[in-house]
Amino acid sequence: QKEVEQDPGPLSVPEGAIVSLNCTYSNSAFQYFMWYRQYSRKGPELLMYTYSSGNKEDGRFTAQVDKSSKYISLFIRDSQPSDSATYLCAMSGKTSGSRLTFGEGTQLTVNP
Amino acid sequence: GAVVSQHPSWVICKSGTSVKIECRSLDFQATTMFWYRQFPKQSLMLMATSNEGSKATYEQGVEKDKFLINHASLTLSTLTVTSAHPEDSSFYICSAGERDIYIDEQFFGPGTRLTVL
Repeated sequence: QKEVEQDPGPLSVPEGAIVSLNCTYSNSAFQYFMWYRQYSRKGPELLMYTYSSGNKEDGRFTAQVDKSSKYISLFIRDSQPSDSATYLCAMSGKTSGSRLTFGEGTQLTVNP
Repeated sequence: GAVVSQHPSWVICKSGTSVKIECRSLDFQATTMFWYRQFPKQSLMLMATSNEGSKATYEQGVEKDKFLINHASLTLSTLTVTSAHPEDSSFYICSAGERDIYIDEQFFGPGTRLTVL
């Protein structure tokens, strides 16, 4: 079983839709949760990180963590064509030089 | 956020040759750098963790004699693919860690696409 499971999609939505991206994990040691966005042939870009259960909002993006269920989500409101990319969840277990464990990534296309 | 560069952005080489990829943190000092490889439509696979001034820690299944990593300074790490073969063709991405209040944020380079003929 993979430590982090993420539906690879692809996911296609119309412009303006609310997008929900999800990951589940099995390792209770994970304490820090991140979402990265990766455009084709580019390196990943950190969107958000959080370390506690609950919601964290940044503009059109909301990250949600439920540690009791080992489930994290990223919501994108008012999705735009420029949001079309692969979204990767990542997790780490400690603060110092911590290695990240990535999900497979979900490929998102927002159609104008 | 902090900026990480990689050079070259793409390289084509013949089978049997060695290729060096550089990863630089441009505006911060990175005590830890990570090297990943990514195949098409797949996630990032961690190859090794590199700490300045010490030997890299390789992930299981990664040949340390084939993928040589040097972290000579707080702003530069290099990955050398020795005696490259077509199966080494991939997208190689580095990241550099910077201490935030809560976590070591990782900032990724733009990646290097290696094609071995």
